[in-house]
Amino acid sequence: EAGVAQSPRYKIIEKRQSVAFWCNPISGHATLYWYQQILGQGPKLLIQFQNNGVVDDSQLPKDRFSAERLKGVDSTLKIQPAKLEDSAVYLCASSSSGRLYEQYFGPGTRLTVT
Amino acid sequence: QKEVEQNSGPLSVPEGAIASLNCTYSDRVSQSFFWYRQYSGKSPELIMSIYSNGDKEDGRFTAQLNKASQYVSLLIRDSQPSDSATYLCAVKVGTGNQFYFGTGTSLTVIP
Repeated sequence: EAGVAQSPRYKIIEKRQSVAFWCNPISGHATLYWYQQILGQGPKLLIQFQNNGVVDDSQLPKDRFSAERLKGVDSTLKIQPAKLEDSAVYLCASSSSGRLYEQYFGPGTRLTVT
Repeated sequence: QKEVEQNSGPLSVPEGAIASLNCTYSDRVSQSFFWYRQYSGKSPELIMSIYSNGDKEDGRFTAQLNKASQYVSLLIRDSQPSDSATYLCAVKVGTGNQFYFGTGTSLTVIP
């Protein structure tokens, strides 16, 4: 069974630029999560999708971050405009409907904002 | 007060010893608890989930949950150098969909 796929693996941008990350969850997993992990901290949940609907986005900075999951499969997280403090690893995870929150993580995208 | 708190360590144990990792959480309504392992530069990997009070064993790993004390722990028996990693405690808080990770405890197993 293929795992969670993410791209790109690394991205370097200048502040005020925009960036997008892509995630493809494990086949059949209805729930998809985006996390931000700053060095030395635990992952922080940004947004959770159930199929193509948003379940929770209370910690998503909506003035600059957006996410969508069209067709209930893959998802895109966008930052526009980026700030220096957005430098982090962005993790995507998925889980099956029967075992919510038992999450399987992708390799992550390391973002550096200069 | 943070939702999920862990001692950041580092925790060092000799090879073959028992490593004990602890986690406390603030919301009494929390129902679901998870331990993840994260190697340096890698993404978190699910080790254990526990939902009921008591112990749950899986190989060398035992998760212990005490909801009255709002405390969950992970024991690693016969620790191996390959167990050296950061261990993250995660909690589904309350009755909604809030989900929080702790900051993790760094474990080093010394050969």
